[in-house]
Amino acid sequence: DTGVSQDPRHKITKRGQNVTFRCDPISEHNRLYWYRQTLGQGPEFLTYFQNEAQLEKSRLLSDRFSAERPKGSFSTLEIQRTEQGDSAMYLCASSPGGPLSYEQYFGPGTRLTVT
Amino acid sequence: GESVGLHLPTLSVQEGDNSIINCAYSNSASDYFIWYKQESGKGPQFIIDIRSNMDKRQGQRVTVLLNKTVKHLSLQIAATQPGDSAVYFCAENIAAGNKLTFGGGTRVLVKP
Repeated sequence: DTGVSQDPRHKITKRGQNVTFRCDPISEHNRLYWYRQTLGQGPEFLTYFQNEAQLEKSRLLSDRFSAERPKGSFSTLEIQRTEQGDSAMYLCASSPGGPLSYEQYFGPGTRLTVT
Repeated sequence: GESVGLHLPTLSVQEGDNSIINCAYSNSASDYFIWYKQESGKGPQFIIDIRSNMDKRQGQRVTVLLNKTVKHLSLQIAATQPGDSAVYFCAENIAAGNKLTFGGGTRVLVKP
């Protein structure tokens, strides 16, 4: 499968715990994006990377959230001291990059439930 | 599986009929628009896109129309099939490689 993959697919955690999600983009895609989606809503942008550089962060990304892409390939999204409001689907997408690359290809998402 | 959108506008359509899904976008500077299909428990799947210098683009069974004057986008699905049942989102982008801004979704239910 050469699509975007995410792990885990589902995560249930207790409030206050830390969680980390992983995203593997399509091979050779330079850009990697994280979005969050709650029930009944469209995905909302969180942050994105061009190779290993994090270029933009949304105001939705509080200090408890951190994302990395250390080698310009896979990325991790960590949430510290989880809150019930963090419960959502976390989606990763990748794009080839370059001046004509508008398309973004999404992974299956990680469903986080904070109890 | 989990429902993508429990309180979304719903379009019920008879199998074989055509579907039209509408979307209003917000940013007049947006240069690129995409329609995504999202099935329960899955990530959004690319359907079709259109640049701002076009007003119509056709794919296989799908057509996207763009009206920049009123900032309106529509997706037409011809001969709707049961496999088309999903939530559909429009998204806009102001430049290549930038973040997508998604609109509210529409649930399409295909009746046999």
